[in-house]
Amino acid sequence: DARVTQTPRHKVTEMGQEVTMRCQPILGHNTVFWYRQTMMQGLELLAYFRNRAPLDDSGMPKDRFSAEMPDATLATLKIQPSEPRDSAVYFCASGLGGLVRDRVREVYQPQHFGDGTRLSIL
Amino acid sequence: QKEVEQDPGPLSVPEGAIVSLNCTYSNSAFQYFMWYRQYSRKGPELLMYTYSSGNKEDGRFTAQVDKSSKYISLFIRDSQPSDSATYLCAMSETSGSRLTFGEGTQLTVNP
Repeated sequence: DARVTQTPRHKVTEMGQEVTMRCQPILGHNTVFWYRQTMMQGLELLAYFRNRAPLDDSGMPKDRFSAEMPDATLATLKIQPSEPRDSAVYFCASGLGGLVRDRVREVYQPQHFGDGTRLSIL
Repeated sequence: QKEVEQDPGPLSVPEGAIVSLNCTYSNSAFQYFMWYRQYSRKGPELLMYTYSSGNKEDGRFTAQVDKSSKYISLFIRDSQPSDSATYLCAMSETSGSRLTFGEGTQLTVNP
């Protein structure tokens, strides 16, 4: 059963440190999403890529966050320097997008989520 | 005001009850409407999706979308303790594009 794999599952570090989170999307998926989940804000999109090119990173604080896809099997999300307000669960999801649609019935391509990286910044 | 509003609960029901979960939204461009289930310390998993308005049934689960009222619902029949989780509604404008989530409703089904 194909799964999105995220590492590390947990990360505790002090403020000011660099944090790198990694995601291995499902093989063959061309779209990768990064979401952040907090009690106050719920699940919010940070950025997403299609065919390794960034499509939307408007949800991401640009001064400290960066997202990349070095290759089709790896997506990274970095925070430098980290702050206590960055404490959250970060989810990666992958799916298929930008395909030709069925004219009779819209075919939905679901996003498959990993189990997240639980980040605590002290 | 958020684009998608969902009552966070918590909601507690006895086993066998019918559960009704709802979301409202403001963006008329949304065309795909999803329900995700999230267990503790796990990622969201897709339960059902609906394209545009209408109903969809899958076993004990029924999803309804009323685009004229900007209102979606998920019904769970004969609820089981294993249904205890957080249920998130999500919406997107096109297939494969970004999802906008409600804040989730925490459901507990008591044996």
